[in-house]
Amino acid sequence: DVKVTQSSRYLVKRTGEKVFLECVQDMDHENMFWYRQDPGLGLRLIYFSYDVKMKEKGDIPEGYSVSREKKERFSLILESASTNQTSMYLCASSLNLYGYTFGSGTRLTVV
Amino acid sequence: EDKVVQSPLSLVVHEGDTVTLNCSYEVTNFRSLLWYKQEKKAPTFLFMLTSSGIEKKSGRLSSILDKKELFSILNITATQTGDSAVYLCAVADSGNTPLVFGKGTRLSVIA
Repeated sequence: DVKVTQSSRYLVKRTGEKVFLECVQDMDHENMFWYRQDPGLGLRLIYFSYDVKMKEKGDIPEGYSVSREKKERFSLILESASTNQTSMYLCASSLNLYGYTFGSGTRLTVV
Repeated sequence: EDKVVQSPLSLVVHEGDTVTLNCSYEVTNFRSLLWYKQEKKAPTFLFMLTSSGIEKKSGRLSSILDKKELFSILNITATQTGDSAVYLCAVADSGNTPLVFGKGTRLSVIA
């Protein structure tokens, strides 16, 4: 069964900490995405990548960065976590641009 | 700017009811519309629609696209408590851009 794995299901971090959210896919997909999901706001695109070493800003990149050193791994980095980054973070990958497979999500709480 | 609007945002029904979820969109160069179901974890794929008027069906769920009026509906007949979820609509354009998601419809089915 194909999979997108997010390393943590729940995380609690302190304000100002540097936070790494990891996402690994085993489908040899070129495309990977990071979204955050908040009540009433839906899924909002943070960053995406169409190839190793490549990254593009999504709709809400402020306060985030990403790393894609290997094809299967796409990391989201919160350089200095803030309480307004408390959210559900969803990673997805795709072979084409519309057949997304999602990870189970990481619920991040920043205190 | 591409836009996807879902309605209603939330809905409570009784088991056995039939529900219709709506998704309207504005996309520069439409390629496809997708429906996902999200329970507690990752959104899972339901349907992809590319042509007007052709119904896609899976068990009690069905969906149809109207490219002239720029909307899609997702029907669920004889609802069950297991249908309780957030239903997400997303649109892909023909360019090299990620899916654009609506805010979702939260469906609650009560016994």
